[in-house]
Amino acid sequence: AIQLTQSPSSLSASVGDRVTITCRASQGISSALVWFQQKPGKAPKLLIYDASSLDSGVPSRFSGSGSGTDFTLTISNLQPEDFASYYCQQFNSYVTFGGGTKVEIK
Amino acid sequence: QVHLVESGGGVVQPGGSLRLSCAASGFTFSNYGMHWVRQAPGKGLEWAAFIRYDGSNKYYADSVKGRFTISRDNSKNTLFLQMSGLRAEDTALYYCAKDLHPYAGRNGFNLIPDSWGQGTLVTVTS
Repeated sequence: AIQLTQSPSSLSASVGDRVTITCRASQGISSALVWFQQKPGKAPKLLIYDASSLDSGVPSRFSGSGSGTDFTLTISNLQPEDFASYYCQQFNSYVTFGGGTKVEIK
Repeated sequence: QVHLVESGGGVVQPGGSLRLSCAASGFTFSNYGMHWVRQAPGKGLEWAAFIRYDGSNKYYADSVKGRFTISRDNSKNTLFLQMSGLRAEDTALYYCAKDLHPYAGRNGFNLIPDSWGQGTLVTVTS
């Protein structure tokens, strides 16, 4: 099974900061990766699909990049509503989620 | 607007069984594959199972294979998860989710849970 390793597992940042989260796959998955955002007590929300395409309604401060085994989610100009947990998920073979990254307020 | 409502969660003893349901509305249920994804308290997301739009293919995570069965009733727009042989490590919030693409999942590829319910809590304890 394909494993996904996210880093860091948590980070502290301030409003206005640029934040980068990485996701590494145990084998090449082309661009078969999505990113979710999950706020406390809420269901996950799809942010980015195919590694770099923003889902409808997602602010442009979110961006994704990468292919093969290494991927990044970048949030530029961090906003108060962005403090949440973020998960990557591969869909090259069935479904695997990364361990998650919690973005907290510094 | 996609609306998914899970039910059937509760407290069960180890070794017991439980059947979860997910009522779907706001989209053509019979055109989309459906997922069950779980989240243990304070932990990350874990995919559990997927069923194709017509029930022709079902896929399971190794952690639940042989114990859980996913099914659907397209005439009632309802998804099910039959869980047996429950263990303490199955304690989690169970989400149902619609797949992003219609008719997807023939070979276990391109499976993306894009719209989620609010979950139903399953607690396995003696």
